[in-house]
Amino acid sequence: DAGVTQSPTHLIKTRGQQVTLRCSPKSGHDTVSWYQQALGQGPQFIFQYYEEEERQRGNFPDRFSGHQFPNYSSELNVNALLLGDSALYLCASSLAGREQYFGPGTRLTVT
Amino acid sequence: LAKTTQPISMDSYEGQEVNITCSHNNIATNDYITWYQQFPSQGPRFIIQGYKTKVTNEVASLFIPADRKSSTLSLPRVSLSDTAVYYCLVGGDAGNNRKLIWGLGTSLAVNP
Repeated sequence: DAGVTQSPTHLIKTRGQQVTLRCSPKSGHDTVSWYQQALGQGPQFIFQYYEEEERQRGNFPDRFSGHQFPNYSSELNVNALLLGDSALYLCASSLAGREQYFGPGTRLTVT
Repeated sequence: LAKTTQPISMDSYEGQEVNITCSHNNIATNDYITWYQQFPSQGPRFIIQGYKTKVTNEVASLFIPADRKSSTLSLPRVSLSDTAVYYCLVGGDAGNNRKLIWGLGTSLAVNP
């Protein structure tokens, strides 16, 4: 049983560019959440998708957007990248419950 | 939004029992308490969750007093591989991640 997978593992982008990160939830899970974790900080909630719709959103600008597909996988898009967007981006899945399973994350570096 | 307070760091030795206490004075009636473990450059891993009294699983125990204003994660006989950051989270409503506030966590160092 595969856990949560994310791609890519690492990537480097230039300020102003756009990036798309991908997440496949744990088998049987239908809810995907995205988090941003800066170095030395705890994860910060970006948004959550369920039934292909954004259900909750944290305090992040509209530059951060997402999508969930019929197979429950999800994408996180960030436009007009800023240096401050450099972080570990985590995807977590759950079955509409409290226990979240996290992926290994994508390390984004913006130069 | 329930806020939690944990020690920034703790040190221990292999084979010892480690207790990490989390304060959550304004916990709401329907809030659960959840603990996660995180290794560097990896996603957090669920450890244990509870509502009241004591919960035990194969890796840890969670003690919650009657007033629920604090909780203690107990790791029995730690090993070097338990060196990680431990987060205490308080929140209710299944799937309501927006209410979960992740603090800085407790950085546990297990020494040989």
